[in-house]
Amino acid sequence: KNEVEQSPQNLTAQEGEFITINCSYSVGISALHWLQQHPGGGIVSLFMLSSGKKKHGRLIATINIQEKHSSLHITASHPRDSAVYICAVHLYNFNKFYFGSGTKLNVKP
Amino acid sequence: NAGVTQTPKFRVLKTGQSMTLLCAQDMNHEYMYWYRQDPGMGLRLIHYSVGEGTTAKGEVPDGYNVSRLKKQNFLLGLESAAPSQTSVYFCASINSGTSFRDTQYFGPGTRLTVL
Repeated sequence: KNEVEQSPQNLTAQEGEFITINCSYSVGISALHWLQQHPGGGIVSLFMLSSGKKKHGRLIATINIQEKHSSLHITASHPRDSAVYICAVHLYNFNKFYFGSGTKLNVKP
Repeated sequence: NAGVTQTPKFRVLKTGQSMTLLCAQDMNHEYMYWYRQDPGMGLRLIHYSVGEGTTAKGEVPDGYNVSRLKKQNFLLGLESAAPSQTSVYFCASINSGTSFRDTQYFGPGTRLTVL
């Protein structure tokens, strides 16, 4: 059983499109992180959410604690947004994260 | 700050050889993690540490050992490498005092191939 489910697994978009990536989890969490990994590259943290909504540039992340669901939105997508986006959750009383399998985004010019 | 560094960046081993991967962080983080990432699979936790001198098993610990003798360093050892351990290894650290509501920092990764 995977505590964290991401959808879609793969996503292809045209430059300028609005992108949504979803993350659902099955248990209570203290924090949810969105991570980005460019092809052949390292992993960077985009957002940490415990409630509500956060915005950074063209990226917006939301979380609904009651529904156990988070979304990552990219407005006006650009080819440089092409990457794998990973959802990670921290469960209460555990000293570790559980990861989704990632969403591979390809934005075409 | 250098953040999280990993050495080496690349390594090729023959089956049965041993090696140690070094992870170092300069942010005074208590929590450190070793993950492996394989094609088509998410990050999987190998071992982790919640402080100097402590280690714990993760999801896929078999074939690996770890040590945290100094707070800033977390070592991952492969005693007898197997082809199934061909993977990209990432180290990560996070501040322990914020209920994990802080940035998780990752190292650049080590690409290991076992022939």
